[in-house]
Amino acid sequence: SQTIHQWPATLVQPVGSPLSLECTVEGTSNPNLYWYRQAAGRGLQLLFYSVGIGQISSEVPQNLSASRPQDRQFILSSKKLLLSDSGFYLCAWSVLFREGELFFGEGSRLTVL
Amino acid sequence: AQSVTQLGSHVSVSEGALVLLRCNYSSSVPPYLFWYVQYPNQGLQLLLKYTTGATLVKGINGFEAEFKKSETSFHLTKPSAHMSDAAEYFCAVNAGNMLTFGGGTRLMVKP
Repeated sequence: SQTIHQWPATLVQPVGSPLSLECTVEGTSNPNLYWYRQAAGRGLQLLFYSVGIGQISSEVPQNLSASRPQDRQFILSSKKLLLSDSGFYLCAWSVLFREGELFFGEGSRLTVL
Repeated sequence: AQSVTQLGSHVSVSEGALVLLRCNYSSSVPPYLFWYVQYPNQGLQLLLKYTTGATLVKGINGFEAEFKKSETSFHLTKPSAHMSDAAEYFCAVNAGNMLTFGGGTRLMVKP
């Protein structure tokens, strides 16, 4: 069966520090991969998605970046965090069919102080 | 283009009462529709989905939703609320190769 894991689960970082969140999918090949963010009191915001290794699409311009170094690995990064980067980050995967739902990881809560 | 509107960011019901969470969508092509549930500090979990066929869809935990094309709606219902249903619920539409989520509805269940 397929599984998705992301880490760390909780992170407290000072403003200006770097960020790296990792997400790994097991049990499937060539998935679509996604990074979403939930800020307090707000819905889900799509940040990045990827349809293959090295292929990244950005939905929202900001100081975050994403990379896909391997088929089932998706990394969210920042060189210098802002206070506004605080939130709950969710990684997700789907198969390449329109009727396929997203499968979400457990989430990573980032607090920038 | 596609969009989703969830009416009511917060809904409160008594335990045992009917749960009704509203979702309306817009889509230029026949949509695929989804409901997700999120418990505190967790990822989203699929409750149910409509792709084609029967318009009344049954999901997990006793929830169901009905696709009404004429009303562009996909409301989520459960006949009798349980305390464990307290969570945030998201409606989503896929009319291309991307899911678009509504703003979410937080369901509170009173004893």
